[in-house]
Amino acid sequence: GAVVSQHPSWVICKSGTSVKIECRSLDFQATTMFWYRQFPKQSLMLMATSNEGSKATYEQGVEKDKFLINHASLTLSTLTVTSAHPEDSSFYICSPKDGADTQYFGPGTRLTVL
Amino acid sequence: KQEVTQIPAALSVPEGENLVLNCSFTDSAIYNLQWFRQDPGKGLTSLLLIQSSQREQTSGRLNASLDKSSGRSTLYIAASQPGDSATYLCAAVRGSYIPTFGRGTSLIVHP
Repeated sequence: GAVVSQHPSWVICKSGTSVKIECRSLDFQATTMFWYRQFPKQSLMLMATSNEGSKATYEQGVEKDKFLINHASLTLSTLTVTSAHPEDSSFYICSPKDGADTQYFGPGTRLTVL
Repeated sequence: KQEVTQIPAALSVPEGENLVLNCSFTDSAIYNLQWFRQDPGKGLTSLLLIQSSQREQTSGRLNASLDKSSGRSTLYIAASQPGDSATYLCAAVRGSYIPTFGRGTSLIVHP
């Protein structure tokens, strides 16, 4: 089956710093990438959608200048949380979709902002 | 706006019981409906996908049904095992292939 990796799996940072999360599709090309955020005991909430080489489309209420998404290649997308604050602490999951519109999910990144 | 509700929110059962997890969605114009498993602190594992034209899908001890007209799906787990303990999420996928997730049902199967 398709393999999706996320790095790091867990990160702790100080308030005000920036954190970059990488998502790689290891054996397929991701034409579209979704980024989700999940708070404890909550459902996954879509943050943004990006197509390779294009700017990301952000969901309502998600600050595009705070959550920078780069989808520069068909196998790599990054989410950078800029000037992180404790309320940004969450579980971030990437979800690449291949050319056959099959959607896969990464293992997630746990972000804790102190 | 699509809303997905899962009932119950939590469930604790002894090993061997047959279970039914419920999922309802407000907009019946879906492309497909998916059931996922999520272990604590982990990502999602796809369990079953039901296309909008299908009524049910089966995989091992799992059976998922879909009734689009009533906006409901159920996940049936037969002969539950402790290894089935996890959170089960359903997601209704609309035409743009973007899923809307429910909050999940947290399942504990005790020996």
